[in-house]
Amino acid sequence: KAGVTQTPRYLIKTRGQQVTLSCSPISGHRSVSWYQQTPGQGLQFLFEYFSETQRNKGNFPGRFSGRQFSNSRSEMNVSTLELGDSALYLCASSLPSGRVDEQFFGPGTRLTVL
Amino acid sequence: AQSVAQPEDQVNVAEGNPLTVKCTYSVSGNPYLFWYVQYPNRGLQFLLKYITGDNLVKGSYGFEAEFNKSQTSFHLKKPSALVSDSALYFCAVTGGGNKLTFGTGTQLKVEL
Repeated sequence: KAGVTQTPRYLIKTRGQQVTLSCSPISGHRSVSWYQQTPGQGLQFLFEYFSETQRNKGNFPGRFSGRQFSNSRSEMNVSTLELGDSALYLCASSLPSGRVDEQFFGPGTRLTVL
Repeated sequence: AQSVAQPEDQVNVAEGNPLTVKCTYSVSGNPYLFWYVQYPNRGLQFLLKYITGDNLVKGSYGFEAEFNKSQTSFHLKKPSALVSDSALYFCAVTGGGNKLTFGTGTQLKVEL
């Protein structure tokens, strides 16, 4: 079974631009979560989508947004990029079993903002 | 609010020796606890989880963790370390749902 895939793997943008990252979950997984990983702040939860609806949200500004499509694929968007948005963005998927299940992570998208 | 503390930034251990990576947590209600490992330039790999039941949880690659409710701890252990275990280890907690709160990570270095 294929794992979680994220595209692109690397991205370089300049301040003020916007960016869209994509995540394809494991087949059959309907929950997709996004995390930001930086050396200073560590791993921080951005948001979770389930059945095309945002189910949970972390403490990030409104410049960070996401969506989920009917095939469970998800995208996250960051508008008006700032230098501090440089990070590894990780996507994770899990089953909707009704219990708390482990999340399976993709390799991440490394975003560099210049 | 939920939080995780990993008090050691780095743990060094000789190959063949037992290893322990420490984790304490704080959460409202019942805790759901996880350990993940991250290799350089890679995403996180799931090692094991505690949901309910036995306090000793066995996971991938010979790792295990012990849930201690009174000490709010969930330390990761392995009886005999391998050089290939060298990586960054994260403990995570949730009180329910998929919003994981991670610790700051512990770099494990296993030396010959």
